[in-house]
Amino acid sequence: GDSVTQMEGPVTLSEEAFLTINCTYTATGYPSLFWYVQYPGEGLQLLLKATKADDKGSNKGFEATYRKETTSFHLEKGSVQVSDSAVYFCALAPYTGRRALTFGSGTRLQVQP
Amino acid sequence: DAGVIQSPRHEVTEMGQEVTLRCKPISGHDYLFWYRQTMMRGLELLIYFNNNVPIDDSGMPEDRFSAKMPNASFSTLKIQPSEPRDSAVYFCASTPGQVSYNEQFFGPGTRLTVL
Repeated sequence: GDSVTQMEGPVTLSEEAFLTINCTYTATGYPSLFWYVQYPGEGLQLLLKATKADDKGSNKGFEATYRKETTSFHLEKGSVQVSDSAVYFCALAPYTGRRALTFGSGTRLQVQP
Repeated sequence: DAGVIQSPRHEVTEMGQEVTLRCKPISGHDYLFWYRQTMMRGLELLIYFNNNVPIDDSGMPEDRFSAKMPNASFSTLKIQPSEPRDSAVYFCASTPGQVSYNEQFFGPGTRLTVL
């Protein structure tokens, strides 16, 4: 079945540091890939998405590129802020069939001033 | 526009009691999902509906769990009887589901504690 693997957290960075959170997936066909973010006490919010190979999703300074050859969708940001502290989830949706998202385990990011 | 609405936000109950969680999806969204979040298992799908019809309930843990969607604007997730291992945050999400890459919109969640 489909699966998503994320790097273990927590990730602790200083403000303005570069961020990478690794995500790899296993799926048949051509899934869509997502990054969701969860702030404390809240539900998940879509951060960015990519629907086909080589697409780059971007939002709020975050980027991720859909790499089919390495089955990866790593999240990056050039300069993190304290307000980016949250839990980040990589997820996939199959192209056909089951409509629900399959999530990774989540990576907690802590940014220190 | 109001987002996905869930109630209650917090629920504390004793083992053996019935618990009902409620969800109001975003108007016009024809897919509704129930997810559960725990430290041990992360985020997992319990069940989802399309046009009020359950499509996939393979994630429902056991017969103690049931979900209904009597109309397009309301869904319930019921646990009877509840057990301590049901303690988790339960999220409802909805999407206008014409294509699989549409964003799912999540509610704030219900934090359930079963003593």
